[in-house]
Amino acid sequence: GENVEQHPSTLSVQEGDSAVIKCTYSDSASNYFPWYKQELGKRPQLIIDIRSNVGEKKDQRIAVTLNKTAKHFSLHITETQPEDSAVYFCAASIPGGGNKLTFGTGTQLKVEL
Amino acid sequence: DGGITQSPKYLFRKEGQNVTLSCEQNLNHDAMYWYRQDPGQGLRLIYYSQIVNDFQKGDIAEGYSVSREKKESFPLTVTSAQKNPTAFYLCASSIRAETGNEQFFGPGTRLTVL
Repeated sequence: GENVEQHPSTLSVQEGDSAVIKCTYSDSASNYFPWYKQELGKRPQLIIDIRSNVGEKKDQRIAVTLNKTAKHFSLHITETQPEDSAVYFCAASIPGGGNKLTFGTGTQLKVEL
Repeated sequence: DGGITQSPKYLFRKEGQNVTLSCEQNLNHDAMYWYRQDPGQGLRLIYYSQIVNDFQKGDIAEGYSVSREKKESFPLTVTSAQKNPTAFYLCASSIRAETGNEQFFGPGTRLTVL
C-alpha cells in the first residue's frame, strides 16, 4: 500500500520567515495530496490540496508544489505568523480507493516572536 | 466547524471492556472514516464506509468493529482484542468516496484504558 514520509518532524522559525515541509510518497498512482493543519487540542482542517495534473498551487501565504517524477510534494508558508504554529500533516490518496488518505507523521511548526 | 460530531470527548475504560465511540454527521455525506492518532505516528485509518450498509477495513482494523446502518452515523467499537487502545480517535466524512473530495473531521474522542 501507499507510504508517506514527512520531514522534518519539528520546525522552528522566526516570525516573518518562510517554512517548508516536505513529503514523499511511494505509490505512483496517487493523484490527490491534501495538507491538514491541527492546532493543539483541535481537529485537523484542510488548508490546501493539489491534484496530480497540477505542479503548483497557491493560496495567499501558503503554496504546495508537486514533483510527480520524484514522488514528492512540499508545503511552503511565507511570512509566518504566530498563529501558524500547529502540527501539519501531508497525505496522499489513490484513485479507486474510497478516498482513503494515507498520512505522513506530522510536522510540529513553531513560529517564534 | 459543525456538521460532524463525536461523543464523548473523553472516555475512560478498564482493560477488557468493549467501548463504543459515536460519530454523527448532518452533512449528507456518503463516505465516513475512522482514524487513530498516536503521538509521532500521524493518523492511521481503522475503517471506512463508502455508503450506507457498507464498510471496509483500513490499515489497522484488528480489534475494532464498525456499523453503518444509517447514512449519518458510523459508530466505532473498540473491543478487548485491541492490544493498545489508548489513543485519540478521529472520525471524518466526505461528500462522496471518490478521490479528491475533502474529508471533514470531527472533534475527536480521547480514549484512555486503565
